[in-house]
Parts: sequence; structure tokens; C-alpha cells
Amino acid sequence: GESVGLHLPTLSVQEGDNSIINCAYSNSASDYFIWYKQESGKGPQFIIDIRSNMDKRQGQRVTVLLNKTVKHLSLQIAATQPGDSAVYFCAENIRGGSYIPTFGRGTSLIVHP
Amino acid sequence: DTAVSQTPKYLVTQMGNDKSIKCEQNLGHDTMYWYKQDSKKFLKIMFSYNNKELIINETVPNRFSPKSPDKAHLNLHINSLELGDSAVYFCASSSRESNQPQHFGDGTRLSIL
Repeated sequence: GESVGLHLPTLSVQEGDNSIINCAYSNSASDYFIWYKQESGKGPQFIIDIRSNMDKRQGQRVTVLLNKTVKHLSLQIAATQPGDSAVYFCAENIRGGSYIPTFGRGTSLIVHP
Repeated sequence: DTAVSQTPKYLVTQMGNDKSIKCEQNLGHDTMYWYKQDSKKFLKIMFSYNNKELIINETVPNRFSPKSPDKAHLNLHINSLELGDSAVYFCASSSRESNQPQHFGDGTRLSIL
């Protein structure tokens, strides 16, 4: 599921599968990247972040990969659970006087029990 | 112990009216933001204040006026509401000192009749 286009991309997986959500970012001057999870009726919540001097960072069940060459970010969720169902956003902080946070379009993850 | 709280959660009003949305954060952050999320979940930054000073002002109609009485509060006033203003508005805060994720409120759903 890539965050491009006019419609919200959707990724459907079975409970227990691994999920990979992709994001293409726009600005080579971005030096900080964040993944957020937004559940229905709530605001986006921080999941994991990565700085541009790294290419991989792991959290609990989540891993973020950064490929600066092709300006690509991915979020891997291991052993996906129904509670992981939400819209996932990548965001980049673009350096330029003040850090300007810019969000991707989002990917809807649906986990089937 | 809510970190970022915004009120009201729902706002239903007639076209042409003036309304305000309030936001408060108790995280000690120095930077606050307003975002607009459309029906396709696209999150677009509108304004950002750092220590009560406007630092980001994206292309937003001047009917929208943010007010920051102190660094813990950033309110949004909207004049002459239009149908296209219907959306969910999110307040967020962060520390600007170094790259840090934003903390979001749960949103205000604005519906214009």
C-alpha cells in the first residue's frame, strides 16, 4: 500500500501476518521521519521515528526502513493484530528555517481475524 | 491527564457563522499546530506557533485566524464559515528544539449546514 493517488490506499491482511506499509517522501532535505497511527475518531499517535543518519530502526513489533537514495520509507508490523487496524501516516520534517512537518496521504490497514 | 485537548469535539453550524475551536497542551511544548483533515484523510498543516509567534502560515483563507494567548494554548477562529470548511481539525504540539514527534488532540469535527 503506497500513499499516492487520490483515494486512501488500503492494505488487507490476516491476523498473524506481517504487514508492510510503504511511503514515498518528497524532499531530499528532510532529515527526520515519523510514522503515526490514526484510529477512528482519534488523532494521529506516534509509533516510531527515524533520523536521516540511520536506515533502520526497530521498536516493539514495528520496524521502520529508510532508503534515502529513492526517498522511500516503510513500516513493517510483525504478527499483525486486529488492534492494528487503523490509518497509518508517514511524515517528514523538512529542514528550512523552521521544521515543517509534512504528512503523506495515509494507508488504511485492515486486519481480518 | 490529557496531553493535548481541544474543544469542542463536534461543531455543527450554519454557513456564514463565526466559530472558535480551543486547544490546550500540558506537555510543556513550545510549538503548537493546527491541521485540517479532509474526507479522504489527507492531513494538511494550516498554522504553527512557536512561543506565541507565528512561524508557519500555509495558504489558508484569511477567514481563519489563529490566536495564541500563551505557549500552552492555540485557538482557531473561523469567520464566515463556508461549506468547504467542513472537515476534522486537529491541534498538535511538539518541542521545536530538536526533531521530535508531534502530539495530537482527538480532533474537532466541523460540519457546515
